Amino acid sequence: AQSVTQLGSHVSVSEGALVLLRCNYSSSVPPYLFWYVQYPNQGLQLLLKYTSAATLVKGINGFEAEFKKSETSFHLTKPSAHMSDAAEYFCAVSWMDSSYKLIFGSGTRLLVRP
Amino acid sequence: EAGVAQSPRYKIIEKRQSVAFWCNPISGHATLYWYQQILGQGPKLLIQFQNNGVVDDSQLPKDRFSAERLKGVDSTLKIQPAKLEDSAVYLCASSSWGPNTEAFFGQGTRLTVV
Repeated sequence: AQSVTQLGSHVSVSEGALVLLRCNYSSSVPPYLFWYVQYPNQGLQLLLKYTSAATLVKGINGFEAEFKKSETSFHLTKPSAHMSDAAEYFCAVSWMDSSYKLIFGSGTRLLVRP
Repeated sequence: EAGVAQSPRYKIIEKRQSVAFWCNPISGHATLYWYQQILGQGPKLLIQFQNNGVVDDSQLPKDRFSAERLKGVDSTLKIQPAKLEDSAVYLCASSSWGPNTEAFFGQGTRLTVV
């Protein structure tokens, strides 16, 4: 069955530290991959998406993600965390053979300590 | 461009009452999604429309939930009768049809069932 898993419901980092949020998918066919961010009491906003043009994708606010087919992963990183990065982050996937149904992971809440 | 509009933003009802949510997608977007997001969880897809046809409603509790998208534009999601466990944020999203297309989200409707 096709699914997406985010390891770690909460990640806490110090301001200026590396951010690493993990996302793995389970599928026999390559999915389309997305990262969304949700700030308190707001809707979801796209951070970045994998387009197959390059395995390393750059998004907004200094975030990037690397697609690793051999590991079925699409982890999100940012070299230096900022207080304003505190939010909930969701990995999402869709597949052509499921009519591009967009499925979300359970989310990771990022806490940034001063 | 105008974003995805949802109303109301908040709704409080008693269990066994009925409630309806409205969504106006971005103009020209063929695909419309309704998601249920329970506190602390990722968005769960309830139903996906392609124009005015249903693509996927496998996770829609059809004994109490219904949705329609007349004329392939606006959509309504109804719950009748509501249960306590329906308390959640209901998110509407829209996108163009095809691979790797971004879904744009509305602000959501926060439903509290008491």
